[in-house]
Amino acid sequence: AQSVTQPDIHITVSEGASLELRCNYSYGATPYLFWYVQSPGQGLQLLLKYFSGDTLVQGIKGFEAEFKRSQSSFNLRKPSVHWSDAAEYFCAVGNAGNNRKLIWGLGTSLAVNP
Amino acid sequence: GAVVSQHPSWVICKSGTSVKIECRSLDFQATTMFWYRQFPKQSLMLMATSNEGSKATYEQGVEKDKFLINHASLTLSTLTVTSAHPEDSSFYICSSLTSGTLQETQYFGPGTRLLVL
Repeated sequence: AQSVTQPDIHITVSEGASLELRCNYSYGATPYLFWYVQSPGQGLQLLLKYFSGDTLVQGIKGFEAEFKRSQSSFNLRKPSVHWSDAAEYFCAVGNAGNNRKLIWGLGTSLAVNP
Repeated sequence: GAVVSQHPSWVICKSGTSVKIECRSLDFQATTMFWYRQFPKQSLMLMATSNEGSKATYEQGVEKDKFLINHASLTLSTLTVTSAHPEDSSFYICSSLTSGTLQETQYFGPGTRLLVL
């Protein structure tokens, strides 16, 4: 079955600390992988995406993610978190052949302590 | 990134009335758009795939006669909630899929919050 797992429902970090949000997937075809961020009451903003090539992907707002095929993972990282990073983060997987639909994780809520 | 707008951003209506939500792709053409519903503290639930010039494809369990989707142009898709009831109250989000490229990506609108009284 196709699925995306974000093991951490909620994470709290201190401002300036490093961050890693986990994402594991189960997908039958070659995956396209995405990280989106959602601020309260807002739509989703694309942070970064992976289709092919270099497995370390750089995104906006200082975020990066690494695709590890052997571990079926696409973890999101940031070296130094800012208070404005507090939001909900969603990992998603898709493929051009799957009617372009995305399979979504349940999200990780990030809180940042001052 | 690409810009997608939604209108209205929030709406309150009486039970039994219909509500139309617009989703516009502002700076690119989208043959495919998606409509999602999101409950508080939950992930996105895909409702339907909207295809320009053809009928929408609804996910299992989504009533097509209740949630009418029209994708009349490459930049506009509308979702009409017919005969709305309180259980239809939710946050509705659309996305537009970039087309004409192998790296297809969904870009999301800001969402519409619907409250049915």
